[in-house]
Amino acid sequence: AQSVTQPDIHITVSEGASLELRCNYSYGATPYLFWYVQSPGQGLQLLLKYFSGDTLVQGIKGFEAEFKRSQSSFNLRKPSVHWSDAAEYFCAVVPLKAAGNKLTFGGGTRVLVKP
Amino acid sequence: GAVVSQHPSWVICKSGTSVKIECRSLDFQATTMFWYRQFPKQSLMLMATSNEGSKATYEQGVEKDKFLINHASLTLSTLTVTSAHPEDSSFYICSAREPGLHNEQFFGPGTRLTVL
Repeated sequence: AQSVTQPDIHITVSEGASLELRCNYSYGATPYLFWYVQSPGQGLQLLLKYFSGDTLVQGIKGFEAEFKRSQSSFNLRKPSVHWSDAAEYFCAVVPLKAAGNKLTFGGGTRVLVKP
Repeated sequence: GAVVSQHPSWVICKSGTSVKIECRSLDFQATTMFWYRQFPKQSLMLMATSNEGSKATYEQGVEKDKFLINHASLTLSTLTVTSAHPEDSSFYICSAREPGLHNEQFFGPGTRLTVL
């Protein structure tokens, strides 16, 4: 079945340390790929997106993500985490051949930042 | 980037009443808007796709008569939760799709509904 998987439900990281959030998808063709961040009680903010081209994508707030076709992955990274990065992160895809260009979300990863 | 607003940001209502939530695209015209529901500590679940000038398309398991969607203009979609019950309490988020090559969606800030 087609799906988006975020294997890590929670991640705790120390402030200043690096962060990597995993995202895997299972679709026949490479979908459009997105990472969103959600602070408590807030809507979603787009961090970055991948449609085609360079597989290393730069986003806002110092985040980047790398698309790896061979691994069907689109992992999000940040070299040095700030306390304000504590939030819920969602990977999402739009299958290219899906009607209506609907977004399908992963289960989310909650990031906790230790002082 | 494109801005999407929602109103109200939170609402508390009594069981049996109806609640209307508005979703507006502020600086672009959105022929398509989406309504999502999010339970605490869970991901977003698509409820329905709202197309301007036509009937909404509901996802499997979503009651059409319970969650009425109207998309009367290119900048406004409304979700009405009819005869709300405590189990309808949730965080409702809308998004609007900006026409273009990749049809990117922009999300509203969400509406917290609490039914007593």
